[in-house]
Amino acid sequence: QPVLSQPPSASASLGASVTLTCTLSSGYSNYKVDWYQQRPGKGPRFVMRVGTGGIVESKGEGIPDRFSVLGSGLNRYLTIKNIQEEDESDYHCGADHGSGSNFQKVFGGGTKLTVL
Amino acid sequence: EVQLLESGGGLVQPGGSLRLSCAASGFTFSSYAMGWVRQAPGRGLQWVSTITGSGGLTYYADSVKGRFTISRDNSRNTLYLQMSSLGADDTAVYYCAKGRSGSYGSFDSWGQGTLVTVSS
Repeated sequence: QPVLSQPPSASASLGASVTLTCTLSSGYSNYKVDWYQQRPGKGPRFVMRVGTGGIVESKGEGIPDRFSVLGSGLNRYLTIKNIQEEDESDYHCGADHGSGSNFQKVFGGGTKLTVL
Repeated sequence: EVQLLESGGGLVQPGGSLRLSCAASGFTFSSYAMGWVRQAPGRGLQWVSTITGSGGLTYYADSVKGRFTISRDNSRNTLYLQMSSLGADDTAVYYCAKGRSGSYGSFDSWGQGTLVTVSS
């Protein structure tokens, strides 16, 4: 099954932009990845799904237009523009693997985004 | 508005059992797959299990297969997770999550979680 790698931390200044990266292990370049936002002390929130063609279906409910995604090779990117204080969160990526009785869902370790 | 409210967490001794519940509202419960995802203290998310809308198919992470059982009561709009042979590695906040249409592992709504602590 794939391994999803995320940098443990990232930071950006208020009003700036930041791109978070989720890297799939070799051999899984066709996989789609979900991005989730988790604010401190809260449950996760679905942001959007991304493949090599970009966003898959629609964004999660209430996700601002400032959030966008791209996919290239083994990398799946989440870009946040005009960063706000409320964007300070942990961001997790996850991918579905297998089908039928072999289905598994794999998550990365998460990236903690600090807004400066 | 989708609401998911977990309950049943608490302190349990190693080797013990616990049943988690998740009361769902704001959507047609039986039409969606549901899942459990856990998060150990200070760690990332770990998928635990998914059940289809009808309850006819279930999927488990290898780490819980044979110890945990997911089920649902569509008449009560409630999801369950029966956990047995619990160990320290099962200590985590357990989240109930609603599957996105047509997906077993992509979740578009999550609860606030319930903490399970396995300790003597």
